[in-house]
Amino acid sequence: EADIYQTPRYLVIGTGKKITLECSQTMGHDKMYWYQQDPGMELHLIHYSYGVNSTEKGDLSSESTVSRIRTEHFPLTLESARPSHTSQYLCASSVAVDEQFFGPGTRLTVL
Amino acid sequence: ILNVEQSPQSLHVQEGDSTNFTCSFPSSNFYALHWYRWETAKSPEALFVMTLNGDEKKKGRISATLNTKEGYSYLYIKGSQPEDSATYLCAFSLIFGQGTTLQVKP
Repeated sequence: EADIYQTPRYLVIGTGKKITLECSQTMGHDKMYWYQQDPGMELHLIHYSYGVNSTEKGDLSSESTVSRIRTEHFPLTLESARPSHTSQYLCASSVAVDEQFFGPGTRLTVL
Repeated sequence: ILNVEQSPQSLHVQEGDSTNFTCSFPSSNFYALHWYRWETAKSPEALFVMTLNGDEKKKGRISATLNTKEGYSYLYIKGSQPEDSATYLCAFSLIFGQGTTLQVKP
């Protein structure tokens, strides 16, 4: 079983609030990823990191930001949440560009 | 922009039926194709990593083939069981297809 964790699992929050979605892995993987998925749609890569202090934007534009200060931790922050940010956010990690191990996801609802 | 297409979008079969679905991807600059299985209320789990043209991988009743020259991969499930019900995702270069959702009726 993969050792990758996301908190919170569910979050309902009002417009304008700042939120941070946590993602941690204990496998020592260098590469970590954030995906966004709307119901019935594809997983879209919004951020990735190939190591500490390295972050890149994915193919889907996102108003969120990420940081990678420690290998095991890859939090995603929304400075001012909006209803359009309502979605599921999945974190994953991998060795090289091998198979990814996914966390359980965070379902975010912005009212 | 890379495009990964999966078909069909959903599939309903009876227990015991064999089934297959398709993932198509750009045939240029191929590195690897991944298949994942995503059960409801769980995380996606890796099934196969396909790297060589003509590759065939097998895990129990599930197998996959790869054609990098024409840009497609097939996933086969032999003798489907209700526990096979899930969404099957393929991914090429961090781009995911929309998935094929399989429902197996007992």
